[in-house]
Amino acid sequence: DSGVTQTPKHLITATGQRVTLRCSPRSGDLSVYWYQQSLDQGLQFLIQYYNGEERAKGNILERFSAQQFPDLHSELNLSSLELGDSALYFCASSFGQGGRLKDTQYFGPGTRLTVL
Amino acid sequence: GEDVEQSLFLSVREGDSSVINCTYTDSSSTYLYWYKQEPGAGLQLLTYIFSNMDMKQDQRLTVLLNKKDKHLSLRIADTQTGDSAIYFCAESLNNDYKLSFGAGTTVTVRA
Repeated sequence: DSGVTQTPKHLITATGQRVTLRCSPRSGDLSVYWYQQSLDQGLQFLIQYYNGEERAKGNILERFSAQQFPDLHSELNLSSLELGDSALYFCASSFGQGGRLKDTQYFGPGTRLTVL
Repeated sequence: GEDVEQSLFLSVREGDSSVINCTYTDSSSTYLYWYKQEPGAGLQLLTYIFSNMDMKQDQRLTVLLNKKDKHLSLRIADTQTGDSAIYFCAESLNNDYKLSFGAGTTVTVRA
């Protein structure tokens, strides 16, 4: 158990809908990262928040957004869902902002999103 | 990630050693990681190596880094059926925020 929790574990929805994925980082960690794992794209970095502020953006679509709240949990919002958004979405957390040993990322169990 | 490459499959007999290889292209990589993903599960950090190290050993795991060739390997000694999983190599760069992952190597352990 990494200490990172994600809810829900599974989500099934229809095209055009909007969903919210939730992540709670390990105790003491200030950074939250979101990754998408799909069969064709592999593991792709989406976005990072550090202590409530956006720090880095990766391959995140405009239909997707995220935020980190004062209690450091984070939510990833996916809207106007398409079939191709079906994937496993991982959240990871680290103490710092990245690039150093203490910034090692620990991953949650993931949320499997299925868009029908 | 396009900067990290791994072979896709490895089949090994129980009790033998497994060697998973990875190449990366960015010479400014700071840390290199190995993560394990079991079926239906998340990513578990196995081990890491700092870019100024050549080797790191942790119980059955040995990581070798050839910085000149930008080649990283993970050796699992005495491979067990519980080692069947997908193994991801990942790199982080100086002051960068994200991890760049390889496509993952699926390791199958046969009896």
